[in-house]
Amino acid sequence: AQSVTQPDIHITVSEGASLELRCNYSYGATPYLFWYVQSPGQGLQLLLKYFSGDTLVQGIKGFEAEFKRSQSSFNLRKPSVHWSDAAEYFCSIKAAGNKLTFGGGTRVLVKP
Amino acid sequence: DTEVTQTPKHLVMGMTNKKSLKCEQHMGHRAMYWYKQKAKKPPELMFVYSYEKLSINESVPSRFSPECPNSSLLNLHLHALQPEDSALYLCASSQEPSGTAYNSPLHFGNGTRLTVT
Repeated sequence: AQSVTQPDIHITVSEGASLELRCNYSYGATPYLFWYVQSPGQGLQLLLKYFSGDTLVQGIKGFEAEFKRSQSSFNLRKPSVHWSDAAEYFCSIKAAGNKLTFGGGTRVLVKP
Repeated sequence: DTEVTQTPKHLVMGMTNKKSLKCEQHMGHRAMYWYKQKAKKPPELMFVYSYEKLSINESVPSRFSPECPNSSLLNLHLHALQPEDSALYLCASSQEPSGTAYNSPLHFGNGTRLTVT
């Protein structure tokens, strides 16, 4: 069965600083990986996705993620964080049966 | 703006009530989902519909009853709920049905905040 681990429950970053959120997955075949963001009281918005090809994936809102098969990782990055980036971020994997499985999430706090 | 619309946004119900959550999408997606999300937790899959047929039921208690009247609509009927069922209920849709390529992302609505008293 597939699984996703996000080691960091909370991350605090200063506005304008860089951000990296870690994600590790476990799956026996080629993974389909996604990052979603959730603002308080809202649904989930897709930031980016990886299926195959170029391992560096660009997403919306200035985010990018790098797939590293050797490390089973799919870390999310942003060079310069804005106050509006404060939210919960979920890494997820899609596998057999059309099931999307989420990691535990990382809450990002942005300091002025 | 989300392309998946959920109503109502908030719902308070007693344990003996019967209520329904509604979800609508007009993107031509053929797979639709219900997720349950407790505070500070990731969403947990409840049901998946593919081509209007139930394809996945994650051992959800029978007090939750899904219904897919057509390819654009998804309902979740609630009856005799417990206080621990209070949560954010999220609907989502995706382009392809079960059993085919898995690379289509899910599009989520903003959810219904359910409180059971």
